[in-house]
Amino acid sequence: KQEVTQIPAALSVPEGENLVLNCSFTDSAIYNLQWFRQDPGKGLTSLLLIQSSQREQTSGRLNASLDKSSGRSTLYIAASQPGDSATYLCAVRGSSNTGKLIFGQGTTLQVKP
Amino acid sequence: EAQVTQNPRYLITVTGKKLTVTCSQNMNHEYMSWYRQDPGLGLRQIYYSMNVEVTDKGDVPEGYKVSRKEKRNFPLILESPSPNQTSLYFCASSLDPGGGTYEQYFGPGTRLTVT
Repeated sequence: KQEVTQIPAALSVPEGENLVLNCSFTDSAIYNLQWFRQDPGKGLTSLLLIQSSQREQTSGRLNASLDKSSGRSTLYIAASQPGDSATYLCAVRGSSNTGKLIFGQGTTLQVKP
Repeated sequence: EAQVTQNPRYLITVTGKKLTVTCSQNMNHEYMSWYRQDPGLGLRQIYYSMNVEVTDKGDVPEGYKVSRKEKRNFPLILESPSPNQTSLYFCASSLDPGGGTYEQYFGPGTRLTVT
């Protein structure tokens, strides 16, 4: 059964730092992996979607990488800002049943001014 | 505006009283799904639908029912709610039937309390 783990659970950094959030999964047979952002009391906003054939995706200051063989993905945030403070979730979709999406528990990020 | 809407946003009810949480999307998406989010357990998938009249169980389907009679709507039904169904519920949709090729769009959430 696929399990998704995100480390650390919480992270506090000063503004301007570059940072990396980690996501690991136990079954490498994935269809794709998606990173989301969730603000307190709000829904999820999709940040990046990486297909299993891709190694990375970029959007602005965000870069997500995928290493299927080692079961890992990282989300790199460059020059962090207080507005980046939120919970970041990764979710994987298995290749055998693309309808199912398995989430990690998230990393709560606080960027201090 | 392209969006996923859920109603109600907040609901307090009593054990055993049937309720329905509605979900609607205006993007002509094939795939729709329901999740619940609980502290310490994260987001878990309840049910999903790859097309009209096609629904499948996620990881935590017990105590829930869904229907997909038309493409835009995917209601979540709790026939006899219990306190352990107190949670934050999210509906999501995606363009392709498999739900995988394109990103998922999430609704704003429904906070349900069962006393």
